[in-house]
Amino acid sequence: EVQILESGGGLVQPGGSLRLSCAASGFSFSSYAMTWVRQAPGKGLEWVSHISGPGGTTHYAGAVKGRFTISRDNSKNTLFLQMNSLRAEDTAVYFCAKDRIVGGYGYMDVWGKGTTVTVSS
Amino acid sequence: DILMTQSPDSLAVSLGERASINCKSSQSVLSSSNNKNYLAWYQHKPGQPPNLLLYWASTRESGVPDRFSGSGSGTDFTLTISSLQAEDVAVYYCQQYFSTPYTFGQGTTLEIK
Repeated sequence: EVQILESGGGLVQPGGSLRLSCAASGFSFSSYAMTWVRQAPGKGLEWVSHISGPGGTTHYAGAVKGRFTISRDNSKNTLFLQMNSLRAEDTAVYFCAKDRIVGGYGYMDVWGKGTTVTVSS
Repeated sequence: DILMTQSPDSLAVSLGERASINCKSSQSVLSSSNNKNYLAWYQHKPGQPPNLLLYWASTRESGVPDRFSGSGSGTDFTLTISSLQAEDVAVYYCQQYFSTPYTFGQGTTLEIK
């Protein structure tokens, strides 16, 4: 069974840092691109970042470019999101999701339940 | 960035009736190389992760009931639920994956009338 589990969320002060992890199982992790999507309280889904299966190609939303870094450890079937210079507007539930097909086009078929990040003093 | 705009923002439909949600992209998401529209639809219920319904604008994901269908091309797309069931109450999102950032629409809340 394909499973995705995010962790690492919590309360952080503005300007602080946090590292999210996403543990994957049940599929050939290194073959699939992965995506982070977030949902701020009372808001819709916002695409955050995407990384290719091997990890060599990354993309970011403008709102997080230069502050967030997506990476992966294929030996440990784990995806990461390093978040620096956090702002109140980064407060959200962060979802990790798997691209539907090998090679990836950017639409996601399996999602984790999310981890909550709160940026507040 | 490609801006995705959904309409309406919310919709109330009677059980058994048809529900239609529109999605418009600020530029075409139709690829000339493979003639495919890079457009997906998701269903999101409170407390659950989003659920992929359709991709390539009209290809239904495995396990998705056939009352869900997608249509459109280029910049204008529609998600149709042919006969609304109680379990279809959710927020629905379109997403383009034609070019990064792979943007979502703002969402449409579907309720029972």
